[in-house]
Amino acid sequence: AAGVIQSPRHLIKEKRETATLKCYPIPRHDTVYWYQQGPGQDPQFLISFYEKMQSDKGSIPDRFSAQQFSDYHSELNMSSLELGDSALYFCASSFGLVGQETQYFGPGTRLLVL
Amino acid sequence: LAKTTQPISMDSYEGQEVNITCSHNNIATNDYITWYQQFPSQGPRFIIQGYKTKVTNEVASLFIPADRKSSTLSLPRVSLSDTAVYYCLVGDGGGADGLTFGKGTHLIIQP
Repeated sequence: AAGVIQSPRHLIKEKRETATLKCYPIPRHDTVYWYQQGPGQDPQFLISFYEKMQSDKGSIPDRFSAQQFSDYHSELNMSSLELGDSALYFCASSFGLVGQETQYFGPGTRLLVL
Repeated sequence: LAKTTQPISMDSYEGQEVNITCSHNNIATNDYITWYQQFPSQGPRFIIQGYKTKVTNEVASLFIPADRKSSTLSLPRVSLSDTAVYYCLVGDGGGADGLTFGKGTHLIIQP
């Protein structure tokens, strides 16, 4: 079965640079979520989109922005990168707004900021 | 969102049954209980979800007492590949809400 696709899988940036992470949800899934997991930490929810509209917002820094496109893929844009942004970034997708829908996670993008 | 409390770590051996208990004393009427599994450097993976009593699927069982203030994830006959972090989450899941991961349980299975 098709899974969530994230690209790139690994990314190295320098401080103050920008980065763009991409997420392609499972076909027919219309909801996308972004999570950040620092080294030794638990996943932290950043932001979610349903039908191309922002739905829920977590601990996303102001330096980060995201959007969902007409084909339901999503991009997380990160500017003025800081050392502390080094983390695994997971995208998850689900179908619809029915309560208790399962979120399916992608393999993650490992971002290293030097 | 209801806060959850789980053991930080657990050890067991191959072939044993492992039970991980999660406390969620202030669970709301509309909340479900969901468990996710995460291997190192991989995204969390849904294991099982329930509202009350017992739920069983091909990988685990979930026991929820009548007061719903706790739940127990049961993994039958574990193998080395079950070594992972297990997260208990409580919420109503509606509106494309993000999941709130607390401190999960590091389960280590030994030969």
